[in-house]
Amino acid sequence: NAGVTQTPKFQVLKTGQSMTLQCAQDMNHEYMSWYRQDPGMGLRLIHYSVGAGITDQGEVPNGYNVSRSTTEDFPLRLLSAAPSQTSVYFCASSSKGKNIQYFGAGTRLSVL
Amino acid sequence: AQSVSQHNHHVILSEAASLELGCNYSYGGTVNLFWYVQYPGQHLQLLLKYFSGDPLVKGIKGFEAEFIKSKFSFNLRKPSVQWSDTAEYFCAVSNPNTDKLIFGTGTRLQVFP
Repeated sequence: NAGVTQTPKFQVLKTGQSMTLQCAQDMNHEYMSWYRQDPGMGLRLIHYSVGAGITDQGEVPNGYNVSRSTTEDFPLRLLSAAPSQTSVYFCASSSKGKNIQYFGAGTRLSVL
Repeated sequence: AQSVSQHNHHVILSEAASLELGCNYSYGGTVNLFWYVQYPGQHLQLLLKYFSGDPLVKGIKGFEAEFIKSKFSFNLRKPSVQWSDTAEYFCAVSNPNTDKLIFGTGTRLQVFP
């Protein structure tokens, strides 16, 4: 059971660089979301998707883009990385209406 | 808008001590409530959940939580903690009609032998 898979596990970027954090789930879940975790701030929702082709903004969407072309994949794009985006990023998925989210192992991103 | 408050930011206990972590939420309608745990270096795992019914819910590893609607609270308890309970604990709330989770800021628990 793969569940929710995130790649890479670690990444270091320079300010201004772009990159994509990958997230894939094999549970046929409709709902997927991205969170960032920062000390003392818990997890904050960046973007979410209720199904293929549908995305919406969460609490802290600025500086991030998402797309959902398939049910399985929900990549998070940083177009121009900033030091304020240094964080641990978690992807999660859930079956619509079940309301229980399953989390990936996280991506630790440092922006220098 | 929904919000979640966890008042204990850092709790230090000795093994066998009892634990209670506070969680209060603000939302006027029906809610689903969750506690997630994050062990050092690991991802979040569901500890327990409340959707409806008996307000006292039991989760994994001896944890339980009580939903008190009048107090908008969902406190986490364990009668006797172990060193292996050292982790960060997050309370979360969602509207049953959506899958969006709103998390509290977390409580870091350290248990010493």
